[in-house]
Amino acid sequence: DQQVKQNSPSLSVQEGRISILNCDYTNSMFDYFLWYKKYPAEGPTFLISISSIKDKNEDGRFTVFLNKSAKHLSLHIVPSQPGDSAVYFCAARLGGTYKYIFGTGTRLKFLA
Amino acid sequence: DTGVSQDPRHKITKRGQNVTFRCDPISEHNRLYWYRQTLGQGPEFLTYFQNEAQLEKSRLLSDRFSAERPKGSFSTLEIQRTEQGDSAMYLCASSFLDSNYGYTFGSGTRLTVV
Repeated sequence: DQQVKQNSPSLSVQEGRISILNCDYTNSMFDYFLWYKKYPAEGPTFLISISSIKDKNEDGRFTVFLNKSAKHLSLHIVPSQPGDSAVYFCAARLGGTYKYIFGTGTRLKFLA
Repeated sequence: DTGVSQDPRHKITKRGQNVTFRCDPISEHNRLYWYRQTLGQGPEFLTYFQNEAQLEKSRLLSDRFSAERPKGSFSTLEIQRTEQGDSAMYLCASSFLDSNYGYTFGSGTRLTVV
């Protein structure tokens, strides 16, 4: 039972363009959402978060949007840079717990 | 403080052997978590500690797995009688009591059971 889904295993983008990474969830009891970035041979690194009471959070080039009615969140990276090449995971926390459930990840790749 | 440290980085073991991994969290963090990641999957929750108390264990954590956090500082994860299906990246993370900003992960221990 995959409660957090990232349906695109990979995404290709050109430098300077927008990258949009998507995440869907099934449990309406999730109260906090995170995006992590992971480089090979390293642990995931926290990128940006959003509470379920908000619909948008920005931090520099990164913006996360939350659509509760659709149970969908997305990460926008503008402008995309080659250093953004990594696997991106979304994660959701069940309200009242401290446990995050992760999606399967989306690999962001750059087109030459 | 250099973040969350995990040791060893890599471990190759024969099926049936026992292995133990160590995690040193960020010293100010009260909570410590163990996750497991297999190829093509996201990290899966195994267990977590608040100080020295183990507060939750996933059903993924069979009776061959045991985790400890004596004195609320470093933690160990032991796998007894390893099986090939135990091959994975074992990630440790820590956080303050407020986990709204997520966890800080270590670089992981990659276990290969041959």
